[in-house]
Amino acid sequence: KNQVEQSPQSLIILEGKNCTLQCNYTVSPFSNLRWYKQDTGRGPVSLTIMTFSENTKSNGRYTATLDADTKQSSLHITASQLSDSASYICVVTSRNYEKLTFGTGTRLTIIP
Amino acid sequence: SQTIHQWPATLVQPVGSPLSLECTVEGTSNPNLYWYRQAAGRGLQLLFYSVGIGQISSEVPQNLSASRPQDRQFILSSKKLLLSDSGFYLCAWSWEGSSYNSPLHFGNGTRLTVT
Repeated sequence: KNQVEQSPQSLIILEGKNCTLQCNYTVSPFSNLRWYKQDTGRGPVSLTIMTFSENTKSNGRYTATLDADTKQSSLHITASQLSDSASYICVVTSRNYEKLTFGTGTRLTIIP
Repeated sequence: SQTIHQWPATLVQPVGSPLSLECTVEGTSNPNLYWYRQAAGRGLQLLFYSVGIGQISSEVPQNLSASRPQDRQFILSSKKLLLSDSGFYLCAWSWEGSSYNSPLHFGNGTRLTVT
């Protein structure tokens, strides 16, 4: 069964600090992995996509990594800002009918 | 540029009442359209998707139905709401054709509470 597990469920850090969110998946055959940011009461917005051959990809202060061998991904946020407070959702696409499997997200809270 | 509109933002309906949520996309033609439900502590669940007018695929049998009367309009409906229909409903679109590397573009959702 295709599954995506994210950790931690929630995280609180001080403004300016760094943090790393984790995503483990069992989706097969793998096509790509995408991280979304979802502000409270809003729809998710894509941050970055990673395909099988990519190890690292950055989008501003967000850096995603992918280890396709261990089926793990991480999202690293540098110098956090209050606006980073949101849920971060990991989504893995399978090559079988392009099925998407969503993680339950990590709720990140940045405090001043 | 493309935009997606979803309304209403919040809705409180009694059990047994009908439901109609509407979603429209601007700035693109023949998009793939989706309805998702997001429950607390659970990942997004795909309810319906459509690759063209009148073409609806259902992922989960339930009390809901979807229709696509126009190219860029997607409607989620129910004849009689259940308490279990409460949740956050998200409409999304993606470029037509292969979606391997095409992101989903979500609306801002409708918070439905069935009382």
